[in-house]
Amino acid sequence: AQSVSQHNHHVILSEAASLELGCNYSYGGTVNLFWYVQYPGQHLQLLLKYFSGDPLVKGIKGFEAEFIKSKFSFNLRKPSVQWSDTAEYFCAVNAGYGGSQGNLIFGKGTKLSVKP
Amino acid sequence: ETGVTQTPRHLVMGMTNKKSLKCEQHLGHNAMYWYKQSAKKPLELMFVYSLEERVENNSVPSRFSPECPNSSHLFLHLHTLQPEDSALYLCASSQNRDLSYNEQFFGPGTRLTVL
Repeated sequence: AQSVSQHNHHVILSEAASLELGCNYSYGGTVNLFWYVQYPGQHLQLLLKYFSGDPLVKGIKGFEAEFIKSKFSFNLRKPSVQWSDTAEYFCAVNAGYGGSQGNLIFGKGTKLSVKP
Repeated sequence: ETGVTQTPRHLVMGMTNKKSLKCEQHLGHNAMYWYKQSAKKPLELMFVYSLEERVENNSVPSRFSPECPNSSHLFLHLHTLQPEDSALYLCASSQNRDLSYNEQFFGPGTRLTVL
């Protein structure tokens, strides 16, 4: 069965620190990759997505992610976090095969707390 | 404004009650989804509708009954729930089912508590 692993359950950083959140998936074929963010009390919002092409994807609010096919990874990065980045971050994968083309497999999420 | 709205935002119900969750999308999308979000667990896909036809039911107990009367509205009818069904229920929509090109847009969720 497909799965998505997010290695860190809770990350605590100070403002201006650099961020990298890990995401690994278990599927050897073509994938579409997503990072969603859920700010406290708000709905899930798309941060960035990878469909094809340049494996380095830039998203909103200064976030980026790199798709490394050989490592089955899609790690999220930001060079300098702000207090407003405090949220929960979810990695999701669409394996895009057969009748499940619309199915997203989510990781458990990583909670990020940024200290001012 | 996400374009996907859900009501109610909070619901407390007893195990013998019957209630319904409502989702409405204002994006002109053709696919809609119900997810369950429990603490410390990945989002679980429950149901998928495409052009008002249910195309996927992920082994969800029959006490959850979805309904999609048109492409803009999705309901989740609840009856004789268990306390372990307490969770955040999220609705999402996408242009169509093919996520090779599209993303899913999520509503704010309904926080359900079953007593």
